Amino acid sequence: GAGVSQSPSNKVTEKGKDVELRCDPISGHTALYWYRQRLGQGLEFLIYFQGNSAPDKSGLPSDRFSAERTGESVSTLTIQRTQQEDSAVYLCASSLESSTDTQYFGPGTRLTVL
Amino acid sequence: AQRVTQPEKLLSVFKGAPVELKCNYSYSGSPELFWYVQYSRQRLQLLLRHISRESIKGFTADLNKGETSFHLKKPFAQEEDSAMYYCALSGGGTASKLTFGTGTRLQVTL
Repeated sequence: GAGVSQSPSNKVTEKGKDVELRCDPISGHTALYWYRQRLGQGLEFLIYFQGNSAPDKSGLPSDRFSAERTGESVSTLTIQRTQQEDSAVYLCASSLESSTDTQYFGPGTRLTVL
Repeated sequence: AQRVTQPEKLLSVFKGAPVELKCNYSYSGSPELFWYVQYSRQRLQLLLRHISRESIKGFTADLNKGETSFHLKKPFAQEEDSAMYYCALSGGGTASKLTFGTGTRLQVTL
């Protein structure tokens, strides 16, 4: 069956531009997660959705970052006025109901801010 | 607050040697612990979880609540075990996130 998909796979943008990253979770998974992985570093939690609501958005690094999820499926992560330090791989994962269920990861979006 | 510590960034072992990837955690309640693995050019995937008490690809991990550790072990390393390994913790419940450690790269050489 189809796994978690993310688009685009690569995004190069100029500093100051806005970007939108998309995640399509596994059908039927109510929990969805966004992580950031900077070069040579571990996974940094950004935000967690349960259905369409976000019980934990404590990892969003600044108000330039926002995310939404509609229809308990697709989620978009938006970064406004991108900065060079935003360059990273952004990973999305989904799980059946909660973080104790296996998380299935997408391939990630590699964002490069010039 | 929940925290996961993986003290080693890189662990290099010879093929056939025992492997132990260290993981320590900090959490006030009863956590659920996981090991995730990322092979070269593949997606991050679950390797094992403590609640299952299973051995996957020869790897095992025991939750030691006294030492707050969840070390990953394998008696004889294989070349195909070379990958990035992440320890992760969940506090449980639908409102709980999964907190990852910074990861340990395991390099198995001949």
